[in-house]
Amino acid sequence: KAGVTQTPRYLIKTRGQQVTLSCSPISGHRSVSWYQQTPGQGLQFLFEYFSETQRNKGNFPGRFSGRQFSNSRSEMNVSTLELGDSALYLCASSLGGAAGNQPQHFGDGTRLSIL
Amino acid sequence: DAKTTQPTSMDCAEGRAANLPCNHSTISGNEYVYWYRQIHSQGPQYIIHGLKNNETNEMASLIITEDRKSSTLILPHATLRDTAVYYCIALHGSSNTGKLIFGQGTTLQVKP
Repeated sequence: KAGVTQTPRYLIKTRGQQVTLSCSPISGHRSVSWYQQTPGQGLQFLFEYFSETQRNKGNFPGRFSGRQFSNSRSEMNVSTLELGDSALYLCASSLGGAAGNQPQHFGDGTRLSIL
Repeated sequence: DAKTTQPTSMDCAEGRAANLPCNHSTISGNEYVYWYRQIHSQGPQYIIHGLKNNETNEMASLIITEDRKSSTLILPHATLRDTAVYYCIALHGSSNTGKLIFGQGTTLQVKP
């Protein structure tokens, strides 16, 4: 069974640009969550989508947005990039529904560097 | 979701059992205890989770105290590939969102 796939693996952008990252969940999984990992802040929750609807959102500015398609694939977008957006962006998928008893499975992330 | 506390770092000899503790003294009755690990440059890997009973899978065992205020992840025969940061997370059972709150975790160093 294929795992969570994130593309691209590495990305270099400059300040002010925008970027779109993609996540393909495990087949049959309907929930997709996004996380940002930086050395200073650790792993932080960005948002979660289930059945094309955003169910929860972390404390990030509106420059960070996402969406989910009918096939459960998800994208996240960051506009007006800042140096502090340099991070590893991780996507995780789970079956959805009541999340407490359903493990999330992570991809290996997209490493975004802002110059 | 309850706050969890873990030691910052631990060492373990290769081939020996690694016992990683986690304190979650404010955990509620319907919060699950989850363990993930992250090997350098990879995404977090799900290990195991449990509610009240001890759990075992092909990777590890999870021992939860009777009062549920603490738990221990056991890697029975640690190898060098088990060197990673291990995260203990409490997640509400009826939560309908996928928000995992990661702390700083325990850095486990397995030594030859």
